[in-house]
Amino acid sequence: SQQGEEDPQALSIQEGENATMNCSYKTSINNLQWYRQNSGRGLVHLILIRSNEREKHSGRLRVTLDTSKKSSSLLITASRAADTASYFCATDKFTGTASKLTFGTGTRLQVTL
Amino acid sequence: DTGVSQDPRHKITKRGQNVTFRCDPISEHNRLYWYRQTLGQGPEFLTYFQNEAQLEKSRLLSDRFSAERPKGSFSTLEIQRTEQGDSAMYLCASSTGQGATNEKLFFGSGTQLSVL
Repeated sequence: SQQGEEDPQALSIQEGENATMNCSYKTSINNLQWYRQNSGRGLVHLILIRSNEREKHSGRLRVTLDTSKKSSSLLITASRAADTASYFCATDKFTGTASKLTFGTGTRLQVTL
Repeated sequence: DTGVSQDPRHKITKRGQNVTFRCDPISEHNRLYWYRQTLGQGPEFLTYFQNEAQLEKSRLLSDRFSAERPKGSFSTLEIQRTEQGDSAMYLCASSTGQGATNEKLFFGSGTQLSVL
């Protein structure tokens, strides 16, 4: 089952613009992670934010987490054509033996020149 | 660091046939995960191993599915009597297993299965 849902499902912007994707989830978590997937390929880890953190930055990425609203957002600033991909949030709910990530449905980002 | 390798990249089979996929995790990683992803959806958890022990299986993993990780190194995922509904991308991922939480996963490129 999918834990999270991303919004929007698809996003089309021009190069240089900022892209914002949102993720909502249902249960309490240890952390939330964002992954990127190019078409037909595996997923690549982008950033992890722990449940006691509210904001985190990595290069052109900014992630926020609001545990009271069970939501997160991913901001990509100054987007490039190479950012075109699907972006997934994944929640980590510790089950007692190990972490197990539950992925959302993804946002398809298209960056045009 | 050669990353997570999966073989084959693509598999086309007829309904009712058995298929086996292989995953080679990053060498020092103790945990290995299998996920399944259908078109337009996020990956769904199937099972994971801590070294050679299979510690959790999803309800998605019917009795036609079996996964092994002998010697705690590579892993295989076998699907018996394939059905058209098994068509999906099968993703393998690994992690260090050194922490109980806050681990990121390293994914392979996946095996795309098409059942005709």
